Amino acid sequence: DAGVIQSPRHEVTEMGQEVTLRCKPISGHDYLFWYRQTMMRGLELLIYFNNNVPIDDSGMPEDRFSAKMPNASFSTLKIQPSEPRDSAVYFCASSLRGGPNTEAFFGQGTRLTVV
Amino acid sequence: AQSVTQLGSHVSVSEGALVLLRCNYSSSVPPYLFWYVQYPNQGLQLLLKYTSAATLVKGINGFEAEFKKSETSFHLTKPSAHMSDAAEYFCAVRGGAAGNKLTFGGGTRVLVKP
Repeated sequence: DAGVIQSPRHEVTEMGQEVTLRCKPISGHDYLFWYRQTMMRGLELLIYFNNNVPIDDSGMPEDRFSAKMPNASFSTLKIQPSEPRDSAVYFCASSLRGGPNTEAFFGQGTRLTVV
Repeated sequence: AQSVTQLGSHVSVSEGALVLLRCNYSSSVPPYLFWYVQYPNQGLQLLLKYTSAATLVKGINGFEAEFKKSETSFHLTKPSAHMSDAAEYFCAVRGGAAGNKLTFGGGTRVLVKP
């Protein structure tokens, strides 16, 4: 398997524009996590899904952020409108069914810069 | 809320010296614990995990960690540091009251001096 695939790897956008980050989890995994990493706040869990259903979105910073998982092989994280403080590296991760003793596998991340 | 705390955001060690990275968890029920490593401009990679089968867990690249319930700790060690160990290390917790949520500590950046 190719692992978790995220696109794009880098995104530079202007403030106010819509940004969509994409993630393809490992085939057969039924948990999907979105994280944001910054120097100031470290790794923050934004939202996670189980079997395509959002389970916990308490980490989503505000209404400008939304995430969807229309099927088992694809998820998006959208920011609309984007702001400079959204600049960060966004990671997607997936894990197998079987409960909390299974590890998550991470993608390479999307580095977002909002100017 | 369930969480992990990593003591020390930066650690500097000499090549060949012991690496010790500290992680403490807060949970009334022993959770599942993980250590991940992140090399520059890359995603996180699993080093090892504790799932209650054994308290001393061996991972990749010569790392190991010991689960101590009495101290609510899961410290990561490596007897002899190598230059390639320079990276950021994250402790993470899953399970218990938080269910399947995977929560990370603040990370510890390791610098290896020749």
